Amino acid sequence: AQSVAQPEDQVNVAEGNPLTVKCTYSVSGNPYLFWYVQYPNRGLQFLLKYITGDNLVKGSYGFEAEFNKSQTSFHLKKPSALVSDSALYFCAVFPPRRGSTLGRLYFGRGTQLTVWP
Amino acid sequence: DGGITQSPKYLFRKEGQNVTLSCEQNLNHDAMYWYRQDPGQGLRLIYYSQIVNDFQKGDIAEGYSVSREKKESFPLTVTSAQKNPTAFYLCASSIAHFSGANVLTFGAGSRLTVL
Repeated sequence: AQSVAQPEDQVNVAEGNPLTVKCTYSVSGNPYLFWYVQYPNRGLQFLLKYITGDNLVKGSYGFEAEFNKSQTSFHLKKPSALVSDSALYFCAVFPPRRGSTLGRLYFGRGTQLTVWP
Repeated sequence: DGGITQSPKYLFRKEGQNVTLSCEQNLNHDAMYWYRQDPGQGLRLIYYSQIVNDFQKGDIAEGYSVSREKKESFPLTVTSAQKNPTAFYLCASSIAHFSGANVLTFGAGSRLTVL
């Protein structure tokens, strides 16, 4: 079964400190990996994706994510958090194989990030 | 500006009534999706459509129905058979369905409350 885990429901950090939002996955093959962000009462916005190549992926708003194949993880990071980064963050996985999993994303449950001044 | 428009933003329904949520996109995307979001449960796929006049059930299709008569439109009907319809509904689209490299573009969502 395909699955995505975000082990922390909430992450709290002080403004200016580095932040990490964790994501691990369990899928067959070499998956494509995504991070999306959701602000209150809004749809999701794409942040970044990993398809292949360099394990460190840079995305929007200063975010980056590190793909670790041996640990099956794709943690989202930012060197210096801003209050405006406070939002709900979703990790998503696309298993690149044919069959019943063709063409769809599997989302984690989301992690609420709060950055306090 | 290109994007996805969902309407209405807020909707109240009495038990036993069917309601239809609208989703329109002007991105010329082939694939469209409906997700349901409940607190602490992430996004669950209801239905998706790869091309006009074709759609498939997702993980929680029971009590829902869709149509895809036009490329731009993918309305979702929440029927009275859906036992717990109160939720936030998100529509999304992507250029094509089969490539995982495609990014989903989301609408702003519709919040349905059953009274």
